[in-house]
Amino acid sequence: GAGVSQTPSNKVTEKGKYVELRCDPISGHTALYWYRQSLGQGPEFLIYFQGTGAADDSGLPNDRFFAVRPEGSVSTLKIQRTERGDSAVYLCASSSGSGGLNEQFFGPGTRLTVL
Amino acid sequence: SQKIEQNSEALNIQEGKTATLTCNYTNYSPAYLQWYRQDPGRGPVFLLLIRENEKEKRKERLKVTFDTTLKQSLFHITASQPADSATDLCALEEGNNRLAFGKGNQVVVIP
Repeated sequence: GAGVSQTPSNKVTEKGKYVELRCDPISGHTALYWYRQSLGQGPEFLIYFQGTGAADDSGLPNDRFFAVRPEGSVSTLKIQRTERGDSAVYLCASSSGSGGLNEQFFGPGTRLTVL
Repeated sequence: SQKIEQNSEALNIQEGKTATLTCNYTNYSPAYLQWYRQDPGRGPVFLLLIRENEKEKRKERLKVTFDTTLKQSLFHITASQPADSATDLCALEEGNNRLAFGKGNQVVVIP
């Protein structure tokens, strides 16, 4: 399909392990966002890419979280030394252009469970 | 502190009636506001955007208002249908192309 895809759809890991979550944005979209959503809450901003560079990473909760987008398309969110509190749905969104007025297209999310 | 408030209680509405959801915010000065709809297990889907200088925006059966004095947006679903059953989220522009989302308000349309 032509939408945003995320893999895996579900990830179960043990406390202390490292995980990578992948996002394939809509082709041609220059802006890419990562959010985290806990049950009963709205999406919480983590990081925003414009092209290959992180334009705003102020939402990353601590230095265990890191994201890359080396070729300006696919992005990977990396979480080191996972904690139970990291359990949530991680959403990726992309949009065209650089202006915030553009609507964001969301993927289905990756549900991360840290045991 | 900054807050975005949406009613945490689900709104039950009879099919065909109008549902109205409220989004109140504190300590934000958004240049625009967006509404998204989210079904369980899926990502949010964009519905409408309204700028700070616009009072009202319509799209099919949806209408959004934006009052920067009251710091409030109202989201109306007219002639509601069972397919409108979902969680509707308001999202405020908070600078640097970032969106701050509310918790969302669940709507249940009863046939």
